[in-house]
Amino acid sequence: GAVVSQHPSWVICKSGTSVKIECRSLDFQATTMFWYRQFPKQSLMLMATSNEGSKATYEQGVEKDKFLINHASLTLSTLTVTSAHPEDSSFYICSAQTRGNGYTFGSGTRLTVV
Amino acid sequence: GESVGLHLPTLSVQEGDNSIINCAYSNSASDYFIWYKQESGKGPQFIIDIRSNMDKRQGQRVTVLLNKTVKHLSLQIAATQPGDSAVYFCAEREANSKLTFGKGITLSVRP
Repeated sequence: GAVVSQHPSWVICKSGTSVKIECRSLDFQATTMFWYRQFPKQSLMLMATSNEGSKATYEQGVEKDKFLINHASLTLSTLTVTSAHPEDSSFYICSAQTRGNGYTFGSGTRLTVV
Repeated sequence: GESVGLHLPTLSVQEGDNSIINCAYSNSASDYFIWYKQESGKGPQFIIDIRSNMDKRQGQRVTVLLNKTVKHLSLQIAATQPGDSAVYFCAEREANSKLTFGKGITLSVRP
């Protein structure tokens, strides 16, 4: 149980375009999801907390207009990287809080902006 | 601000030996701690957790120890196997708020 599916697993896009990443809880309802970014050889850094039906809470230094988060249902949260640039290239990982207040992580999305 | 850190960036162990991975945390208000394993190109995988009202918890081949006095967390892996090679992160949480991850340590198992 408590499976989180994240798609796509990797994406290459041109600079200036937008990319959407999906995070789905497959067998449970997730009122809260989290989006992380991880650069090579570094730890996971929380970008924002996504709450179903309300606006996301962004961490300090994360541009909310650049990283759009939508959590329209209890099983889906999306992260859209708008006007992507090479410095946005990273590994993006979502996580959902489970009923027992644990956390389940997606498999991550490798974004490369060229 | 508060942070979670690890003492060593890499750890190399012989297959079959026991591994001990250490983590220091600085937020005394943290009440829940988790160890994750991350393989290359994948998301973190839950290993074991412990709440602040405990000082030891055992799983299959893994044990987590919590010393709140010195704010120290450790993960012990018994009979380390090649499949244990990965990056390990400790994470802490304060009262149902967000998880904060440590810097990570690479475990390399020598055959």
